[in-house]
Amino acid sequence: AQSVTQPDIHITVSEGASLELRCNYSYGATPYLFWYVQSPGQGLQLLLKYFSGDTLVQGIKGFEAEFKRSQSSFNLRKPSVHWSDAAEYFCAVTYSGFQKLVFGTGTRLLVSP
Amino acid sequence: DTAVSQTPKYLVTQMGNDKSIKCEQNLGHDTMYWYKQDSKKFLKIMFSYNNKELIINETVPNRFSPKSPDKAHLNLHINSLELGDSAVYFCASTQPGQPTGELFFGEGSRLTVL
Repeated sequence: AQSVTQPDIHITVSEGASLELRCNYSYGATPYLFWYVQSPGQGLQLLLKYFSGDTLVQGIKGFEAEFKRSQSSFNLRKPSVHWSDAAEYFCAVTYSGFQKLVFGTGTRLLVSP
Repeated sequence: DTAVSQTPKYLVTQMGNDKSIKCEQNLGHDTMYWYKQDSKKFLKIMFSYNNKELIINETVPNRFSPKSPDKAHLNLHINSLELGDSAVYFCASTQPGQPTGELFFGEGSRLTVL
């Protein structure tokens, strides 16, 4: 079955430091990959997505992610974290002809002063 | 204008009651979803409708009955509420023809069953 693994339940980063959130997916077909962010009490907002082409994708709020087929990974990065980035981050995957989006378990990002 | 709106945002009720959550999207999308987010933040799809027709039912108990009066609305009715139904329920929509997955989410409806 298709699945997404986010191995880190929570991560604490100092403000201004760099960030990398890990995401691995299963299944052999070409995936469509997404990162969503959920701020407290809010719905999910799309940060970025990968469908095909350039494996490094840019998103909103200064985030980027790199698709590595050899590692079945789609890690999210940001060079300098701001306190407002504290939130829950979800990686998600779907495939062509597959009608649902499967989410990882999420990583909670805490930002320390 | 809110793209995907859900009501109510909060719902507190007793076990055994019946309750409904409503969802409306003004994006012109054909496909709508209900997701359940549990206390550990895990998001699981429950239902999907495409142009008022049920296309995904993820082995959800039949106490849960979605209804789509038109493609802009997808409501969720829950009968005989149980403690385990406590969760945040998210409505979402997307447009087929684009790769599925670029979902637009509502802000969620937090259901607490006492």
